[in-house]
Amino acid sequence: KAGVTQTPRYLIKTRGQQVTLSCSPISGHRSVSWYQQTPGQGLQFLFEYFSETQRNKGNFPGRFSGRQFSNSRSEMNVSTLELGDSALYLCASSLAGAQTEAFFGQGTRLTVV
Amino acid sequence: AQRVTQPEKLLSVFKGAPVELKCNYSYSGSPELFWYVQYSRQRLQLLLRHISRESIKGFTADLNKGETSFHLKKPFAQEEDSAMYYCALSLLNNAGNMLTFGGGTRLMVKP
Repeated sequence: KAGVTQTPRYLIKTRGQQVTLSCSPISGHRSVSWYQQTPGQGLQFLFEYFSETQRNKGNFPGRFSGRQFSNSRSEMNVSTLELGDSALYLCASSLAGAQTEAFFGQGTRLTVV
Repeated sequence: AQRVTQPEKLLSVFKGAPVELKCNYSYSGSPELFWYVQYSRQRLQLLLRHISRESIKGFTADLNKGETSFHLKKPFAQEEDSAMYYCALSLLNNAGNMLTFGGGTRLMVKP
């Protein structure tokens, strides 16, 4: 079956702009989580969505937001981009339950200039 | 707040040598521990988790609650084990999928 798909793979944006990243989970997976990966901070949890509701949230400013659609596809949005938002953004999908295996996408590389 | 520490950024061993990748965690409750692996040019993927008590690709990990550790071990390293390894923690009292990752250890297995 198809894996987790993230689009686009690469993005270059200017400071102050906003960006939307997309994630299509594995068919049948209803939980979608987002992570930010940087050389300095490593992998950090952003938020998790389940049945179109945010179920968990990490310690990121309100500029970072997300949503999930009825088909479980998810988007994350970052507004007023800062240079420090440059990172690899990973999406992971899981079955409905808690502490289930996370299947990761290949990520979206965001560069803010 | 929970925290996962992987003290070694890089571990280099020869093929056939034993491997131990260290992972320590801090959390006062009951955690579920995982090891994720990322091979070159591939996605991050689950290697093993404590609750399943499986041995995957010859790797095992034992949860030591007294030392709050979940070290990953393999008796004889293979070149194909070269990858980035991440230890991760999930809270058993959390109704969801939220992972706290360590900083990762790059394992290099030399021929």
